[in-house]
Amino acid sequence: GENVEQHPSTLSVQEGDSAVIKCTYSDSASNYFPWYKQELGKRPQLIIDIRSNVGEKKDQRIAVTLNKTAKHFSLHITETQPEDSAVYFCAARDSNYQLIWGAGTKLIIKP
Amino acid sequence: NAGVTQTPKFQVLKTGQSMTLQCAQDMNHEYMSWYRQDPGMGLRLIHYSVGAGITDQGEVPNGYNVSRSTTEDFPLRLLSAAPSQTSVYFCASSYSESSFGKNIQYFGAGTRLSVL
Repeated sequence: GENVEQHPSTLSVQEGDSAVIKCTYSDSASNYFPWYKQELGKRPQLIIDIRSNVGEKKDQRIAVTLNKTAKHFSLHITETQPEDSAVYFCAARDSNYQLIWGAGTKLIIKP
Repeated sequence: NAGVTQTPKFQVLKTGQSMTLQCAQDMNHEYMSWYRQDPGMGLRLIHYSVGAGITDQGEVPNGYNVSRSTTEDFPLRLLSAAPSQTSVYFCASSYSESSFGKNIQYFGAGTRLSVL
């Protein structure tokens, strides 16, 4: 079955710098890759997603890139702000249309 | 449009007690899922349903039962609570998409469960 690994588990960056979180997946048939943000004590919410027929997608300060050959995808956040502090989860959709989740990355924005 | 509603928000149980976590959605979604979230382990799928009357096991189903008698409701039952079931539980729902479509999951606010 599908397996998703996410790195790093914790990322600390200076406010205004960029942050990159990486995920790898095992099932080459996976075709949908979302990213969710979970603020402390809140529910996870979708921030950006990408389908396997696209290599990159951007939405203001966040972007996701996908390398199907290497089976990895990454979340890029530019010009980080204090409100970007949260736990970020990647996921890959398996052949049963279920999302398989990474373990999460705690992003800390230092003032 | 309330989205996904979970009750209760907090619950404390003694070992061996049973209880039902409630989940309801008003978006007419076909897919519904239950996850547990433990520190450092992300979201692990317990059970899921692709429509009324259809349920299936996820990654960690032991100790839990589900049923889906209506499109709106997807309760999770703990049969005999154990301390290992202390966790935060999230219910989620999503549209049924084509094989190449999206699977955007909408989460409830969560239930924080402690088993003593």
